[in-house]
Amino acid sequence: DVKVTQSSRYLVKRTGEKVFLECVQDMDHENMFWYRQDPGLGLRLIYFSYDVKMKEKGDIPEGYSVSREKKERFSLILESASTNQTSMYLCASTQTSPETQYFGPGTRLLVL
Amino acid sequence: TQLLEQSPQFLSIQEGENLTVYCNSSSVFSSLQWYRQEPGEGPVLLVTVVTGGEVKKLKRLTFQFGDARKDSSLHITAAQPGDTGLYLCAGLTSGTYKYIFGTGTRLKVLA
Repeated sequence: DVKVTQSSRYLVKRTGEKVFLECVQDMDHENMFWYRQDPGLGLRLIYFSYDVKMKEKGDIPEGYSVSREKKERFSLILESASTNQTSMYLCASTQTSPETQYFGPGTRLLVL
Repeated sequence: TQLLEQSPQFLSIQEGENLTVYCNSSSVFSSLQWYRQEPGEGPVLLVTVVTGGEVKKLKRLTFQFGDARKDSSLHITAAQPGDTGLYLCAGLTSGTYKYIFGTGTRLKVLA
């Protein structure tokens, strides 16, 4: 059974803190994605990675960075959290396009 | 920035009714996917359509890709409470890895 896991379901952080969100997939997929989901805006792509150590900016990369040191793991980093980064963060992976995107359960982040 | 507009944004109907959700863009996509997301979970793929004019059926759900590959529709026949959820369309542009997601349609089916 395919699986994408995210390190936390809920997180509460203070403004200015450094935040790490981790995503692990067990399907040996090449591509991994980080999205944020906000009401009325759908899912917006923050970053994606098509190979180890390779990354490309999505539509809203400002304030975020990513790391992919191993194929199965893709981390999203908020260097200095701000209240406008309060959101649901979803990780996904695919083998190739236009294959199925497999999503993790999401991390709901609240920045106070 | 490419946009995918979904309509309606919210829909509340009685069990047994039919409904259609629309996904529209001014951009051409090489493929289009529909997902359903339940509270507290990530989206789960329902279908992928790749050919203009293509129609796919999944039990009571019928998906259509527009002839020009700019739009799509999802029709549910005899809706059931188990169909309740957030429906998302996602388009993929040829030669990219980037999926563009629609704004979502939140469906509630009342028993």
